[in-house]
Amino acid sequence: DAKTTQPPSMDCAEGRAANLPCNHSTISGNEYVYWYRQIHSQGPQYIIHGLKNNETNEMASLIITEDRKSSTLILPHATLRDTAVYYCIGPAGPGYSTLTFGKGTMLLVSP
Amino acid sequence: EADIYQTPRYLVIGTGKKITLECSQTMGHDKMYWYQQDPGMELHLIHYSYGVNSTEKGDLSSESTVSRIRTEHFPLTLESARPSHTSQYLCASSEVGDRAYGYTFGSGTRLTVV
Repeated sequence: DAKTTQPPSMDCAEGRAANLPCNHSTISGNEYVYWYRQIHSQGPQYIIHGLKNNETNEMASLIITEDRKSSTLILPHATLRDTAVYYCIGPAGPGYSTLTFGKGTMLLVSP
Repeated sequence: EADIYQTPRYLVIGTGKKITLECSQTMGHDKMYWYQQDPGMELHLIHYSYGVNSTEKGDLSSESTVSRIRTEHFPLTLESARPSHTSQYLCASSEVGDRAYGYTFGSGTRLTVV
């Protein structure tokens, strides 16, 4: 079973920041948190991952709380093409053979 | 440009037929995976491989089988297709090592058994 908790759905206006929360209270040690998204039943797409520090790349930012029990994926300027299911996955990384996908958050970006 | 390829993209086949879903990757990744996903539902891992001649069953029991004779190729076979096998099948690959294990997914094969 997935060990993360995400809201089932969220709405965001185009051009605004989308903040997607994830609770991963059982994560510990050298366990990473990964974020993927899946657009309309295509293969999931890697977004970003983190261990302890906040991370940023060309797609998004990842804010991880100091106790590492939760994180927030931030899409700074959401577009209609960002409408997708977003998966927060953890724990993961060295020592884990596979990634377990949960139900994710369906983000709907509206004009 | 995709580095992991799945064929066919769509397949409609009759009950009882034997089918093989193809998955190939050009990244030299050692680990490969097959996930099954029903419409609007979660992805479930059905098979994975650590490398050549390695295959493991995933979290979801599946009547399919896999083989890994070459690093780049990880086909999935259904000996006798049934309507319950109707689903989308997604192949993925990842590196092995000290770095974090980001997955690259293919576009999937949408299978319909009639």
